[in-house]
Amino acid sequence: DTAVSQTPKYLVTQMGNDKSIKCEQNLGHDTMYWYKQDSKKFLKIMFSYNNKELIINETVPNRFSPKSPDKAHLNLHINSLELGDSAVYFCASSQWAGMNTEAFFGQGTRLTVV
Amino acid sequence: QKEVEQNSGPLSVPEGAIASLNCTYSDRGSQSFFWYRQYSGKSPELIMFIYSNGDKEDGRFTAQLNKASQYVSLLIRDSQPSDSATYLCAVPYNTDKLIFGTGTRLQVFP
Repeated sequence: DTAVSQTPKYLVTQMGNDKSIKCEQNLGHDTMYWYKQDSKKFLKIMFSYNNKELIINETVPNRFSPKSPDKAHLNLHINSLELGDSAVYFCASSQWAGMNTEAFFGQGTRLTVV
Repeated sequence: QKEVEQNSGPLSVPEGAIASLNCTYSDRGSQSFFWYRQYSGKSPELIMFIYSNGDKEDGRFTAQLNKASQYVSLLIRDSQPSDSATYLCAVPYNTDKLIFGTGTRLQVFP
């Protein structure tokens, strides 16, 4: 039983396309996140949602639009993909906002823009 | 100054030795500190967390925290080749986001 699951695991697409990554957690957590990990392995927070409400938007281009239909799901839609968007995107969840508790990560989505 | 800083490594240690991984942070108000391990191609997983000054031991792992110096470290005793991974220090900021360091790559050679 996967706690935090993302799909797809790999995504290869051309510049200018629009793509979505889906994330679901079955832990009953209130808070979900999107992180971007670049080629140098730096893990940077992008968005945070608490009970479907956006609480953090870390100056991410507005081509990235998260959507949380319920607190168990947080999807990421990316418009007009650029070469620099190539990275591994991780979804994560924690019991509550504040992160003073363990964050569980999905397996990651490796996005390659060509 | 970066919010959370780590030496990127690689840190190479022989099997059986103690590996020492260090992390400094800039926010004096931080209350909790996390160490994650990330194997190549995998997602980060929590291995230790520490809230209080001093040492916290869990098996072969010891986390050390010095809030006055804004310094947290992770010691791995009896290092094994299976410990070879990137170790990420993480610190919550403003109580609502977890900031990661750049990670230290550890290589344990037989």
